[in-house]
Amino acid sequence: ETGVTQTPRHLVMGMTNKKSLKCEQHLGHNAMYWYKQSAKKPLELMFVYNFKEQTENNSVPSRFSPECPNSSHLFLHLHTLQPEDSALYLCASSQGTNPTEAFFGQGTRLTVV
Amino acid sequence: AQKITQTQPGMFVQEKEAVTLDCTYDTSDQSYGLFWYKQPSSGEMIFLIYQGSYDEQNATEGRYSLNFQKARKSANLVISASQLGDSAMYFCAMRESMDSNYQLIWGAGTKLIIKP
Repeated sequence: ETGVTQTPRHLVMGMTNKKSLKCEQHLGHNAMYWYKQSAKKPLELMFVYNFKEQTENNSVPSRFSPECPNSSHLFLHLHTLQPEDSALYLCASSQGTNPTEAFFGQGTRLTVV
Repeated sequence: AQKITQTQPGMFVQEKEAVTLDCTYDTSDQSYGLFWYKQPSSGEMIFLIYQGSYDEQNATEGRYSLNFQKARKSANLVISASQLGDSAMYFCAMRESMDSNYQLIWGAGTKLIIKP
């Protein structure tokens, strides 16, 4: 139990589908993050939210749309994805945006067919 | 140029032996932080240890220690008395002080397999 919960754990979707990934943290943290982990590539930061405000968007395609309704929840809405978007999507949270550690969820393994 | 380099894509180590995972970094900042994370097959990233660039002592956390050699820009992770449960991917990461947000630069990882 890491304190950061991601659902679903696995997701298979077609290129025309719309789906959402959910992340929830019960650690009282005020910053939340989405990362993409592709095979044999370093982890890529996608979005950062601090106190529900998006503070970072690392040139992510618009087919990925984040939503942060409160400090405990973070969503990643997906639509018209491509097969190369298949990856492990990790959510993380931290206290402030300059901490010495972050807590990660177990990730959602996404396969786009 | 890569900012974090992990030269060992995979390692096999006998149980109970010590293991060193290599990490070199590249930054022009004077103030930065170095991290090691473990990722078991279940997927979550688990924070292991942190070293600040101004910390004079090498960081230690239980069986984990960080061999910080600032002049060589290396931050190797040492795991003493390895256990079967240490089998996982290990990632080295760096935070540069110029980043206003929590932007970690990650290495490609080392897959560690502990043999019984």
